[in-house]
Amino acid sequence: AQTVTQSQPEMSVQEAETVTLSCTYDTSESDYYLFWYKQPPSRQMILVIRQEAYKQQNATENRFSVNFQKAAKSFSLKISDSQLGDAAMYFCAYRSRYNAGNMLTFGGGTRLMVKP
Amino acid sequence: DAGVIQSPRHEVTEMGQEVTLRCKPISGHNSLFWYRQTMMRGLELLIYFNNNVPIDDSGMPEDRFSAKMPNASFSTLKIQPSEPRDSAVYFCASRSLEADTQYFGPGTRLTVL
Repeated sequence: AQTVTQSQPEMSVQEAETVTLSCTYDTSESDYYLFWYKQPPSRQMILVIRQEAYKQQNATENRFSVNFQKAAKSFSLKISDSQLGDAAMYFCAYRSRYNAGNMLTFGGGTRLMVKP
Repeated sequence: DAGVIQSPRHEVTEMGQEVTLRCKPISGHNSLFWYRQTMMRGLELLIYFNNNVPIDDSGMPEDRFSAKMPNASFSTLKIQPSEPRDSAVYFCASRSLEADTQYFGPGTRLTVL
């Protein structure tokens, strides 16, 4: 079974600075998807960015980018120019590409605080 | 697109009562997922459907929980009888089988007294 680990329960960053959230996962599969979801106080789960494991290029969405290290099974999220609105819980998630599961396996989450 | 719609947004009930949570997936999506989020256990998949058919319900905690998807645009998660330990936020998510991303509803915060 796949597992996803987020080793940082909480992180703090100064507004306008850059922060990196860590995520590691364990799988025996070679093809899969990885995601970062943001959950603000409203509780809504919002997709931030996704990565396809067969693509070597790191995904980027505006101020959000990932460092995908397939061999190391690492998938970190970098937030540049942090804004107050970035304060939220961030969840890393894994999904197999081929098995019938279709389901997401989530990490435990990292709470990001942004200081003005 | 309205996104995934869940109702109610908040539910407070007493132990022993029946609770029904509702979900309308994004139009055209043919996979639907029910998750539960608690502080202790994080996000857990309860059950998911493909084309209205339950595929994996191994995450359903016990027989008190049941889920149905009578058609492509509606699903329910029922708890009968409810217990205080069922208090959590319940999320519904949907996905197109051809796509790789699940989109989540706003969640239902359930409190069982």
